[in-house]
Amino acid sequence: LAKTTQPISMDSYEGQEVNITCSHNNIATNDYITWYQQFPSQGPRFIIQGYKTKVTNEVASLFIPADRKSSTLSLPRVSLSDTAVYYCLVGDGGNQFYFGTGTSLTVIP
Amino acid sequence: DAGVTQSPTHLIKTRGQQVTLRCSPKSGHDTVSWYQQALGQGPQFIFQYYEEEERQRGNFPDRFSGHQFPNYSSELNVNALLLGDSALYLCASSFRDRFEKLFFGSGTQLSVL
Repeated sequence: LAKTTQPISMDSYEGQEVNITCSHNNIATNDYITWYQQFPSQGPRFIIQGYKTKVTNEVASLFIPADRKSSTLSLPRVSLSDTAVYYCLVGDGGNQFYFGTGTSLTVIP
Repeated sequence: DAGVTQSPTHLIKTRGQQVTLRCSPKSGHDTVSWYQQALGQGPQFIFQYYEEEERQRGNFPDRFSGHQFPNYSSELNVNALLLGDSALYLCASSFRDRFEKLFFGSGTQLSVL
């Protein structure tokens, strides 16, 4: 089961770029890396997914180095509504996923 | 297009009772997974259903069981409830071949007294 390690919490001011790094040393060859966002009393929401190098969508970018043992979620110009818990998820090839405790991001006005 | 719906939203039970939680997947999805999320923790995988069979199971006792119906909806049953079963229970649906991209419901908050 591929486990992940993330910082427990981060603070950022509005308008800044936020980078959250996740370590996943045991990632399998066929695994994708997926990030989710969760607000209190809601289910996690898909943000972005990638396999290698860089992926960008309308809300975030995902950077994955060649060895794929880590990944970095980049949120450009965060706002107060980005305050949430962010989870890095890596599939183990057997349909089980380890969410970990996630990173609690607080955006400060 | 309705997303993943779960019922009930809140539930209070006492120790030793049994509970059934329900989930309707997002339209077109064929796979349902259940997660338990304790306060301050990340979701923990319970099990996954596809084609009406349990395909994968996390580290949960047999007190936790499930079912998937022909219309892809699913139930989670927990028997002999313990205080430690108090948590947010999340249902997630997906396509079988893109299981990493999960769509979650808002969950059922279960309190065991």
